Amino acid sequence: EDKVVQSPLSLVVHEGDTVTLNCSYEVTNFRSLLWYKQEKKAPTFLFMLTSSGIEKKSGRLSSILDKKELFSILNITATQTGDSAVYLCAVANTNAGKSTFGDGTTLTVKP
Amino acid sequence: DADVTQTPRNRITKTGKRIMLECSQTKGHDRMYWYRQDPGLGLRLIYYSFDVKDINKGEISDGYSVSRQAQAKFSLSLESAIPNQTALYFCATSDPLAGTTDTQYFGPGTRLTVL
Repeated sequence: EDKVVQSPLSLVVHEGDTVTLNCSYEVTNFRSLLWYKQEKKAPTFLFMLTSSGIEKKSGRLSSILDKKELFSILNITATQTGDSAVYLCAVANTNAGKSTFGDGTTLTVKP
Repeated sequence: DADVTQTPRNRITKTGKRIMLECSQTKGHDRMYWYRQDPGLGLRLIYYSFDVKDINKGEISDGYSVSRQAQAKFSLSLESAIPNQTALYFCATSDPLAGTTDTQYFGPGTRLTVL
């Protein structure tokens, strides 16, 4: 059974801090790892990672995948209150064609 | 207009009632999914469909059924609702031919309460 574990479960920081969110996985026939942001509503796509060691970057957010150690990290630099959300990690399985989600990390950024 | 829509957005019902949640999409995607989300938990897959004739059970399909009426429509039914089906339900789509093939696009969610 595919498994995705995110840590920490919750995190409280102040504006300007840098945070690192973790995602480890166990999946047969790995195809990709995806990060989503959920702000009181539907999850929205952030990144899809398929290759180890290649950083994906979008503004203050970046993510990298380690397929040997089976984990990914999501970094947010210079955090803002608008970054407050639940960040979900999901892993897609080649054979099943579907994704397994972790329980998410709840990030709270205080002014 | 939203690409993935869900109706209703909120529903309160009683134990034993039959409920249908509907999902429509204008993205032209073949793949559609139904998830539920409970407080503090991630998304758990109920059913998924890769095309109109292909429907598959997810990890928590017991107590639910689905219907894929067309490429654009995927409905979730609770035949006899029970209180532990109280949750936030999301519909999602994906395009297997896209560069980001595993990316899913979510509807706004339906908050269901079973009393």
